[in-house]
Amino acid sequence: DSGVTQTPKHLITATGQRVTLRCSPRSGDLSVYWYQQSLDQGLQFLIQYYNGEERAKGNILERFSAQQFPDLHSELNLSSLELGDSALYFCASSVQGSTNTEAFFGQGTRLTVV
Amino acid sequence: GESVGLHLPTLSVQEGDNSIINCAYSNSASDYFIWYKQESGKGPQFIIDIRSNMDKRQGQRVTVLLNKTVKHLSLQIAATQPGDSAVYFCAENRAGGENKLTFGTGTQLKVEL
Repeated sequence: DSGVTQTPKHLITATGQRVTLRCSPRSGDLSVYWYQQSLDQGLQFLIQYYNGEERAKGNILERFSAQQFPDLHSELNLSSLELGDSALYFCASSVQGSTNTEAFFGQGTRLTVV
Repeated sequence: GESVGLHLPTLSVQEGDNSIINCAYSNSASDYFIWYKQESGKGPQFIIDIRSNMDKRQGQRVTVLLNKTVKHLSLQIAATQPGDSAVYFCAENRAGGENKLTFGTGTQLKVEL
């Protein structure tokens, strides 16, 4: 167990809908990272938050947004969902704000858009 | 373009043999590299990391080698066990202000009994 908790584990929704994925980082970790993993691609970095503020941005679509709350948990919001958004979404956390350090991954949320 | 890639998508080894998983990167400015292991249905698990000022780092049954001249990274697993069966990803952190890990596409390691 990495100590990073993601909910829900599975999510099935229809195209055009909006979903929210939740992540609770390890105790004491200030950074949260979101990654997308689809069948035809590896892990794609989406966005990072550090102590409540956006720290780095990857190839995150405009339909997607995230935030980190004062208690350091994070939510990833996916809207106007398309079939191609079906993927595993992972959250990772680390103590520091830099990725030059070990990050611990959650078990992921499997999103299926039908 | 810049990329982190793996040479072999699938590697099959006999139990007890040593495994070597390779990774190439193209950005000479990358200064931090990590190997992750991902078992089916689970999130990536940190195995070992190495910084660009090192050529070799050893962990428990694992060794990472970094060759900056040819921009090559390898993960060696000694006495491979069935529990080592998983997908292995290399990831790099690119220096120069970017603060994100870039992952390779992964190598499936299959351990045969």
